Amino acid sequence: GQNIDQPTEMTATEGAIVQINCTYQTSGFNGLFWYQQHAGEAPTFLSYNVLDGLEEKGRFSSFLSRSKGYSYLLLKELQMKDSASYLCAVRVEAAGNKLTFGGGTRVLVKP
Amino acid sequence: DTEVTQTPKHLVMGMTNKKSLKCEQHMGHRAMYWYKQKAKKPPELMFVYSYEKLSINESVPSRFSPECPNSSLLNLHLHALQPEDSALYLCASSQDRGTEAFFGQGTRLTVV
Repeated sequence: GQNIDQPTEMTATEGAIVQINCTYQTSGFNGLFWYQQHAGEAPTFLSYNVLDGLEEKGRFSSFLSRSKGYSYLLLKELQMKDSASYLCAVRVEAAGNKLTFGGGTRVLVKP
Repeated sequence: DTEVTQTPKHLVMGMTNKKSLKCEQHMGHRAMYWYKQKAKKPPELMFVYSYEKLSINESVPSRFSPECPNSSLLNLHLHALQPEDSALYLCASSQDRGTEAFFGQGTRLTVV
């Protein structure tokens, strides 16, 4: 099976930077995804990493180290609307390429 | 069109009822998924259809019955559910099983 760990909650101030870590233990790793989910809404796709390194998309960046089983999502210039849950999901080739989600990190942005 | 559309948005059903959840996408995606999500928990995979064939069933009880009538539609038939089945049911689709999934808004199901 897969073991995917994220912090449960984080609080940050508007305009600041927050880094959400995700560690995973799995065999047959075939990519890592980050999703944002506002309360009562569907998850929306943020980023995808399959090779080591940093992927940048505007205010959001995601980093992957396959050898360490580690990823982070970096949110810059935080806005109030960034208050949401952030889900790390790992794709495993041996399991039919299905996505398995971590428990999610609830981020609260304060003024 | 980058949407996955789910109907109904809300559903209340009794334990003896039969109902169906519907999901539709017109992005030409060949993989479609059903997830179940309880409050403050991550989505849990239930079923995966790839090219209209069931490829993954995550040991879901038979009171949940998926159906993929064509490449754009995915149904989830519900029968004799239990109150603990109350949850948000999410449909998703992706280009293929290995690419990012796009989620619908979900159906919030309450079993009474």
